[in-house]
Amino acid sequence: KAGVTQTPRYLIKTRGQQVTLSCSPISGHRSVSWYQQTPGQGLQFLFEYFSETQRNKGNFPGRFSGRQFSNSRSEMNVSTLELGDSALYLCASSLAEGQLYEQYFGPGTRLTVT
Amino acid sequence: EDQVTQSPEALRLQEGESSSLNCSYTVSGLRGLFWYRQDPGKGPEFLFTLYSAGEEKEKERLKATLTKKESFLHITAPKPEDSATYLCAVQPDRGSTLGRLYFGRGTQLTVWP
Repeated sequence: KAGVTQTPRYLIKTRGQQVTLSCSPISGHRSVSWYQQTPGQGLQFLFEYFSETQRNKGNFPGRFSGRQFSNSRSEMNVSTLELGDSALYLCASSLAEGQLYEQYFGPGTRLTVT
Repeated sequence: EDQVTQSPEALRLQEGESSSLNCSYTVSGLRGLFWYRQDPGKGPEFLFTLYSAGEEKEKERLKATLTKKESFLHITAPKPEDSATYLCAVQPDRGSTLGRLYFGRGTQLTVWP
Protein backbone atom coordinates (compact mmCIF):
# COMPACT_ATOMS: atom_id res chain seq x y z
CA LYS A 1 0.00 0.00 0.00
CA ALA A 2 1.42 3.37 -0.97
CA GLY A 3 2.35 5.74 1.84
CA VAL A 4 1.53 9.38 2.38
CA THR A 5 2.81 11.57 -0.41
CA GLN A 6 3.52 15.28 -0.26
CA THR A 7 4.27 17.72 -3.04
CA PRO A 8 6.38 19.59 -3.64
CA ARG A 9 9.27 18.28 -1.58
CA TYR A 10 11.16 21.57 -1.59
CA LEU A 11 10.08 25.17 -2.02
CA ILE A 12 11.83 28.50 -1.91
CA LYS A 13 9.62 31.56 -1.58
CA THR A 14 10.04 35.25 -0.87
CA ARG A 15 8.53 37.12 2.03
CA GLY A 16 5.00 38.28 1.29
CA GLN A 17 4.27 35.54 -1.20
CA GLN A 18 1.82 32.72 -0.61
CA VAL A 19 2.30 28.97 -0.97
CA THR A 20 0.13 25.88 -1.33
CA LEU A 21 1.27 22.46 -0.20
CA SER A 22 -0.42 19.21 -1.13
CA CYS A 23 -0.87 15.91 0.68
CA SER A 24 -2.29 12.59 -0.53
CA PRO A 25 -3.12 10.24 2.36
CA ILE A 26 -2.84 6.48 2.47
CA SER A 27 -5.71 4.89 0.56
CA GLY A 28 -8.70 4.47 2.85
CA HIS A 29 -7.53 7.00 5.42
CA ARG A 30 -10.04 9.77 6.02
CA SER A 31 -8.19 11.94 8.52
CA VAL A 32 -5.35 14.26 7.52
CA SER A 33 -3.36 16.29 10.03
CA TRP A 34 -0.73 18.93 9.33
CA TYR A 35 2.29 19.77 11.48
CA GLN A 36 5.06 22.31 11.31
CA GLN A 37 8.52 21.18 12.41
CA THR A 38 11.31 23.61 13.27
CA PRO A 39 14.53 23.13 15.25
CA GLY A 40 13.36 25.65 17.82
CA GLN A 41 9.79 24.45 18.40
CA GLY A 42 9.78 20.83 17.35
CA LEU A 43 6.58 19.38 15.89
CA GLN A 44 3.60 21.69 16.26
CA PHE A 45 0.06 20.84 15.24
CA LEU A 46 -1.55 23.04 12.61
CA PHE A 47 -4.95 21.47 11.89
CA GLU A 48 -6.81 18.26 11.19
CA TYR A 49 -9.39 17.46 8.54
CA PHE A 50 -11.85 14.61 8.45
CA SER A 51 -14.41 14.09 5.69
CA GLU A 52 -13.72 17.58 4.30
CA THR A 53 -14.32 19.27 7.67
CA GLN A 54 -11.73 20.94 9.87
CA ARG A 55 -12.17 19.34 13.28
CA ASN A 56 -9.22 20.74 15.16
CA LYS A 57 -6.89 23.70 14.86
CA GLY A 58 -3.63 24.56 16.55
CA ASN A 59 -2.38 27.96 17.69
CA PHE A 60 -1.30 29.40 14.38
CA PRO A 61 -2.36 32.70 12.80
CA GLY A 62 -5.09 32.88 10.20
CA ARG A 63 -2.46 33.07 7.45
CA PHE A 64 -2.35 29.28 7.75
CA SER A 65 -5.35 27.57 6.25
CA GLY A 66 -6.24 24.25 4.74
CA ARG A 67 -8.89 22.18 3.11
CA GLN A 68 -9.70 18.59 2.30
CA PHE A 69 -11.28 17.24 -0.82
CA SER A 70 -13.82 14.45 -1.24
CA ASN A 71 -11.03 11.98 -2.10
CA SER A 72 -9.35 12.85 1.25
CA ARG A 73 -6.47 14.67 -0.40
CA SER A 74 -5.60 17.82 1.48
CA GLU A 75 -3.93 21.13 0.83
CA MET A 76 -2.60 23.75 3.16
CA ASN A 77 -2.02 27.36 2.26
CA VAL A 78 0.19 29.96 3.87
CA SER A 79 -0.37 33.56 2.81
CA THR A 80 1.87 36.57 3.30
CA LEU A 81 4.90 34.45 4.07
CA GLU A 82 7.28 35.48 6.84
CA LEU A 83 10.87 34.40 7.44
CA GLY A 84 9.70 32.47 10.50
CA ASP A 85 7.51 30.25 8.32
CA SER A 86 10.61 28.45 7.08
CA ALA A 87 10.11 24.88 8.28
CA LEU A 88 9.44 21.29 7.37
CA TYR A 89 5.70 20.88 6.87
CA LEU A 90 4.48 17.39 7.57
CA CYS A 91 1.23 15.77 6.67
CA ALA A 92 -0.04 12.69 8.48
CA SER A 93 -2.95 10.44 7.65
CA SER A 94 -4.97 8.22 9.90
CA LEU A 95 -7.65 5.59 9.49
CA ALA A 96 -9.52 7.39 12.29
CA GLU A 97 -11.46 4.27 13.29
CA GLY A 98 -12.78 4.33 16.79
CA GLN A 99 -11.00 6.89 18.89
CA LEU A 100 -7.33 6.04 18.36
CA TYR A 101 -5.35 7.91 15.79
CA GLU A 102 -2.21 6.18 14.67
CA GLN A 103 -0.81 8.76 12.31
CA TYR A 104 1.44 7.94 9.39
CA PHE A 105 3.60 10.74 8.11
CA GLY A 106 4.67 11.77 4.66
CA PRO A 107 8.21 12.87 3.79
CA GLY A 108 7.37 16.53 4.30
CA THR A 109 7.74 19.72 2.30
CA ARG A 110 10.79 21.81 3.13
CA LEU A 111 9.78 25.47 2.82
CA THR A 112 12.43 28.15 2.83
CA VAL A 113 11.34 31.79 2.97
CA THR A 114 13.93 34.40 1.95
CA GLU B 1 -1.82 21.66 30.01
CA ASP B 2 -0.83 18.61 28.01
CA GLN B 3 2.91 18.17 28.00
CA VAL B 4 5.45 15.63 26.78
CA THR B 5 9.08 15.69 27.90
CA GLN B 6 11.78 13.44 26.49
CA SER B 7 15.18 12.74 27.95
CA PRO B 8 18.00 12.77 27.29
CA GLU B 9 18.05 15.28 24.43
CA ALA B 10 20.99 13.47 22.89
CA LEU B 11 22.55 10.07 23.49
CA ARG B 12 25.72 8.57 22.09
CA LEU B 13 26.16 4.82 22.36
CA GLN B 14 28.78 2.43 21.19
CA GLU B 15 27.50 -0.37 19.02
CA GLY B 16 26.14 -3.10 21.29
CA GLU B 17 25.74 -0.80 24.31
CA SER B 18 22.10 -1.06 25.44
CA SER B 19 20.23 1.92 26.89
CA SER B 20 16.80 3.48 27.42
CA LEU B 21 15.10 6.65 26.29
CA ASN B 22 12.50 8.29 28.50
CA CYS B 23 9.21 9.99 27.70
CA SER B 24 7.25 11.53 30.55
CA TYR B 25 3.82 12.99 29.94
CA THR B 26 1.17 15.09 31.62
CA VAL B 27 -2.32 14.73 30.17
CA SER B 28 -5.74 14.77 31.73
CA GLY B 29 -6.39 11.33 30.30
CA LEU B 30 -4.35 9.18 27.92
CA ARG B 31 -5.92 7.54 24.92
CA GLY B 32 -2.65 6.40 23.41
CA LEU B 33 1.11 6.97 23.36
CA PHE B 34 3.12 6.69 20.17
CA TRP B 35 6.79 6.27 19.36
CA TYR B 36 8.25 7.42 16.08
CA ARG B 37 11.68 7.36 14.51
CA GLN B 38 12.82 10.26 12.35
CA ASP B 39 15.85 10.32 10.08
CA PRO B 40 17.30 13.67 8.98
CA GLY B 41 15.20 15.40 6.33
CA LYS B 42 12.46 12.75 6.46
CA GLY B 43 9.04 12.40 8.02
CA PRO B 44 8.58 10.48 11.27
CA GLU B 45 8.25 6.73 10.87
CA PHE B 46 5.68 5.02 13.08
CA LEU B 47 7.09 2.46 15.52
CA PHE B 48 4.65 1.61 18.34
CA THR B 49 1.33 2.45 19.93
CA LEU B 50 0.81 1.83 23.66
CA TYR B 51 -2.66 2.06 25.15
CA SER B 52 -2.48 1.29 28.85
CA ALA B 53 -0.08 1.09 31.77
CA GLY B 54 1.84 -2.17 31.86
CA GLU B 55 1.72 -2.68 28.12
CA GLU B 56 4.91 -3.62 26.25
CA LYS B 57 5.68 -3.87 22.54
CA GLU B 58 8.78 -5.07 20.73
CA LYS B 59 10.26 -4.68 17.30
CA GLU B 60 13.70 -6.00 16.49
CA ARG B 61 16.09 -4.30 18.94
CA LEU B 62 13.44 -1.90 20.30
CA LYS B 63 11.07 -2.45 23.19
CA ALA B 64 8.57 0.14 24.38
CA THR B 65 6.93 0.11 27.81
CA LEU B 66 4.29 2.30 29.42
CA THR B 67 3.47 3.36 32.97
CA LYS B 68 0.89 5.87 34.18
CA LYS B 69 3.34 8.75 33.93
CA GLU B 70 6.02 7.74 31.45
CA SER B 71 7.15 5.49 28.68
CA PHE B 72 10.54 3.98 27.97
CA LEU B 73 12.07 2.94 24.70
CA HIS B 74 14.70 0.31 25.39
CA ILE B 75 17.34 -0.28 22.75
CA THR B 76 19.15 -3.59 23.03
CA ALA B 77 22.56 -4.04 21.37
CA PRO B 78 22.09 -1.07 19.04
CA LYS B 79 23.67 -0.85 15.61
CA PRO B 80 24.78 2.27 13.70
CA GLU B 81 21.63 2.06 11.57
CA ASP B 82 19.58 2.73 14.72
CA SER B 83 20.96 6.27 14.74
CA ALA B 84 18.01 8.66 14.41
CA THR B 85 15.82 10.99 16.43
CA TYR B 86 13.18 9.14 18.44
CA LEU B 87 9.97 11.02 19.06
CA CYS B 88 7.27 10.34 21.60
CA ALA B 89 3.71 11.62 21.18
CA VAL B 90 0.50 11.36 23.17
CA GLN B 91 -3.14 11.49 22.24
CA PRO B 92 -5.24 12.89 25.10
CA ASP B 93 -8.58 11.34 25.90
CA ARG B 94 -10.68 14.33 24.87
CA GLY B 95 -12.95 14.76 21.90
CA SER B 96 -11.60 18.26 21.35
CA THR B 97 -8.17 16.85 20.51
CA LEU B 98 -9.18 14.27 17.95
CA GLY B 99 -6.56 13.99 15.23
CA ARG B 100 -4.02 15.93 17.25
CA LEU B 101 -0.88 14.45 18.74
CA TYR B 102 1.32 16.24 21.27
CA PHE B 103 4.97 15.59 20.58
CA GLY B 104 8.06 15.72 22.73
CA ARG B 105 11.23 17.33 21.39
CA GLY B 106 12.83 13.97 20.76
CA THR B 107 16.03 12.15 21.68
CA GLN B 108 18.79 12.24 19.08
CA LEU B 109 20.51 8.86 19.21
CA THR B 110 23.93 8.28 17.68
CA VAL B 111 25.36 4.77 17.62
CA TRP B 112 29.02 4.55 16.65
CA PRO B 113 30.87 1.42 15.56
